[in-house]
Amino acid sequence: KNEVEQSPQNLTAQEGEFITINCSYSVGISALHWLQQHPGGGIVSLFMLSSGKKKHGRLIATINIQEKHSSLHITASHPRDSAVYICAVSAPTALYGGATNKLIFGTGTLLAVQP
Amino acid sequence: DADVTQTPRNRITKTGKRIMLECSQTKGHDRMYWYRQDPGLGLRLIYYSFDVKDINKGEISDGYSVSRQAQAKFSLSLESAIPNQTALYFCATSDPHSQGVKYNEQFFGPGTRLTVL
Repeated sequence: KNEVEQSPQNLTAQEGEFITINCSYSVGISALHWLQQHPGGGIVSLFMLSSGKKKHGRLIATINIQEKHSSLHITASHPRDSAVYICAVSAPTALYGGATNKLIFGTGTLLAVQP
Repeated sequence: DADVTQTPRNRITKTGKRIMLECSQTKGHDRMYWYRQDPGLGLRLIYYSFDVKDINKGEISDGYSVSRQAQAKFSLSLESAIPNQTALYFCATSDPHSQGVKYNEQFFGPGTRLTVL
């Protein structure tokens, strides 16, 4: 079982719809990241959060530390939101000599918003 | 604007060839990383470097080597490319001096799409 699981893997929505992408993780974390990857490959950070909720424009990210679960919401979706959305967690690890955090990535959710 | 750049952006090569992928950054970050991305899999760490003299293997380092020529430059080499190294490769940086949750933030380059025939 992957340490970071996302659902759904693929999502098609109509323009204007409210979209939710879910992320569950099984390790202790110091932060959770939501990343966006557009066709052509570049990855940009949307949110980093360790508790509660963050909002940026039409995007909202929430995290429930007790349940080890996060959601990314997109309100009033638009075709330009079409991308792969990746959940990643920063987890303390001995891999780095125990002194820092490792990023563990989910496999991503491919979102297509149709006009 | 401070940035992470990768060259080349696309490369097609043949089995057995030596390939170098280059990463440069103007962010002044000490830490640099190389990841590969395959369809259906999350990004996986190949190598990481915490400074010019500190280079470490990641999860999938076999078949790869790296060189940290300067704080700003981190190169990934495939000594003898094989088809299962066909993937999208990302360089990333992070700043260990950042405070709070920003300590965890990594900044990604645009990626290099490598095809090994």
